[in-house]
Amino acid sequence: DSGVTQTPKHLITATGQRVTLRCSPRSGDLSVYWYQQSLDQGLQFLIQYYNGEERAKGNILERFSAQQFPDLHSELNLSSLELGDSALYFCASSARQGALGSPLHFGNGTRLTVT
Amino acid sequence: ELKVEQNPLFLSMQEGKNYTIYCNYSTTSDRLYWYRQDPGKSLESLFVLLSNGAVKQEGRLMASLDTKARLSTLHITAAVHDLSATYFCAVTPVAEKLVFGKGTKLTVNP
Repeated sequence: DSGVTQTPKHLITATGQRVTLRCSPRSGDLSVYWYQQSLDQGLQFLIQYYNGEERAKGNILERFSAQQFPDLHSELNLSSLELGDSALYFCASSARQGALGSPLHFGNGTRLTVT
Repeated sequence: ELKVEQNPLFLSMQEGKNYTIYCNYSTTSDRLYWYRQDPGKSLESLFVLLSNGAVKQEGRLMASLDTKARLSTLHITAAVHDLSATYFCAVTPVAEKLVFGKGTKLTVNP
């Protein structure tokens, strides 16, 4: 158990809808990362937060947004969903501001299916 | 744009055999990570390689890093079925994120 908690585990929704994925980092970790994993794109970095502030952005669509709250949990909001958004979404956390030298600890992921 | 290339992408091997997975990356990075993922599961950190020439071993897995060649290897010794999984390497082009390779799906057959 990595200590990173993601909810829900599975989510099935229709195109055009909006969903929110939630992540609680390991106790004491200030950085939260979101990744999308799909068969064709592999593991894609979406966005990172450190202690409530956005630190880095990756291949995150404008329809997606995220935030990190004062209690350090994070939410990833996906809107105007398309079939291609179906994927496994991982949250990871680390103690440091950046990833240097510190492995990321991944949650079990949220599997999103858009129908 | 940073590219992280793993090969092979698929590897089927017999128990007891040795094999090596390769990870090449296209830009400077002093740190490289190896992760394991079982089907439908999360990613588990295996190794963090922090400098040129670093070598780490855990059980039947050994990882090494050559930053000058921008190459890391994951060597499997006397494979067993429990090693069947997908293995990812990842590098840090900038401090804030890891960029992953596409993964090597390893199947160890009895």
